[in-house]
Amino acid sequence: DTGVSQNPRHKITKRGQNVTFRCDPISEHNRLYWYRQTLGQGPEFLTYFQNEAQLEKSRLLSDRFSAERPKGSFSTLEIQRTEQGDSAMYLCASSHGTGYEQYFGPGTRLTVT
Amino acid sequence: QKEVEQNSGPLSVPEGAIASLNCTYSDRGSQSFFWYRQYSGKSPELIMFIYSNGDKEDGRFTAQLNKASQYVSLLIRDSQPSDSATYLCAVRGGGSYIPTFGRGTSLIVHP
Repeated sequence: DTGVSQNPRHKITKRGQNVTFRCDPISEHNRLYWYRQTLGQGPEFLTYFQNEAQLEKSRLLSDRFSAERPKGSFSTLEIQRTEQGDSAMYLCASSHGTGYEQYFGPGTRLTVT
Repeated sequence: QKEVEQNSGPLSVPEGAIASLNCTYSDRGSQSFFWYRQYSGKSPELIMFIYSNGDKEDGRFTAQLNKASQYVSLLIRDSQPSDSATYLCAVRGGGSYIPTFGRGTSLIVHP
């Protein structure tokens, strides 16, 4: 069984640039979640999809962030006009329709210079 | 606001000892409880989950849930240096698929 995969694993960008991350969930997992984690903190929820529908979005998520899951399989997270405060690990997780357990991918580490 | 509290540690135990990690939560309606292990620079790895009051054992790991007192704990028996990591507690409330994570407890197992 292939786990959750994320690409790229590392991204260094200059302030003001746009970045896009991709997440491929475990096959047949219909729920997909995006989190952000900074040093010394637990993962912070960003947004959640069930199949292709975006069902929940954190109030902390600014309008510079957008996520899609167009065919209910992989998902993308885009950050526009990046800021230094966006530097973090961006984690993707997926879960099966009948369970609540979430399995994380390896993450994408974003550094904004 | 739902809160999940963990002592940040570090918790230091000798090899072979039992490590006890604790987590308290604020939402009385919470229904699912998870423990993740996270090595430095890596992503969280699910190691235990528990939904009912009592104990759940899996190998060297035991999760204990007490809903009346609103705490969940993780016991690691025969601790090994390879268990040295940050342990994250996550709690899911009713009616939501989104858990709230604690900040994690750093565990150090020294030889």
